[in-house]
Amino acid sequence: GAVVSQHPSWVICKSGTSVKIECRSLDFQATTMFWYRQFPKQSLMLMATSNEGSKATYEQGVEKDKFLINHASLTLSTLTVTSAHPEDSSFYICSARASGFTDTQYFGPGTRLTVL
Amino acid sequence: GDSVTQMEGPVTLSEEAFLTINCTYTATGYPSLFWYVQYPGEGLQLLLKATKADDKGSNKGFEATYRKETTSFHLEKGSVQVSDSAVYFCAHTSGGNQFYFGTGTSLTVIP
Repeated sequence: GAVVSQHPSWVICKSGTSVKIECRSLDFQATTMFWYRQFPKQSLMLMATSNEGSKATYEQGVEKDKFLINHASLTLSTLTVTSAHPEDSSFYICSARASGFTDTQYFGPGTRLTVL
Repeated sequence: GDSVTQMEGPVTLSEEAFLTINCTYTATGYPSLFWYVQYPGEGLQLLLKATKADDKGSNKGFEATYRKETTSFHLEKGSVQVSDSAVYFCAHTSGGNQFYFGTGTSLTVIP
């Protein structure tokens, strides 16, 4: 149980285009999902917290207009990187916290974004 | 503020060696403590957790004990295998949204 999927697993795009990444909780409902960014050989940096049916909460320094987050249902959150640039190339990981369980987060497999 | 400090890697061990990865934390309140493992090219997988002082989390031969007096949650395994090669992250949360991760420790086990 507690499986989180991400799609796509990797994507290559041209500079200036937008990319959408999906995060799904497959066998549980997640009222809260989280988006992280991981640079090579570094730890995860929380970008934003996504609550179903409400606006995402962004961490300091994260541009909300560049990283659009939508959490339209209890099993799906999307991250759209708008007007992507090479510096946005990174590994993006989502996690989900099951309703009623406040501590454990279950992580998706990650999405490798490369912007040319 | 809240944070996690874990030993820097990389760590290289021979198969069947004993593993210890140190982790200490600073936190407000009474956090839950976690170890996550990340295999190459993959996301994080929950390895084990402990939610209160003196609890021992264990899974796949790995163990870690929640030590409140030393604010530590060291990861141990008695006999590592090549398949244990991965990056290990210590983390804590106090039940809110914020998870605090260590910087990760890369482990390579050689045959």
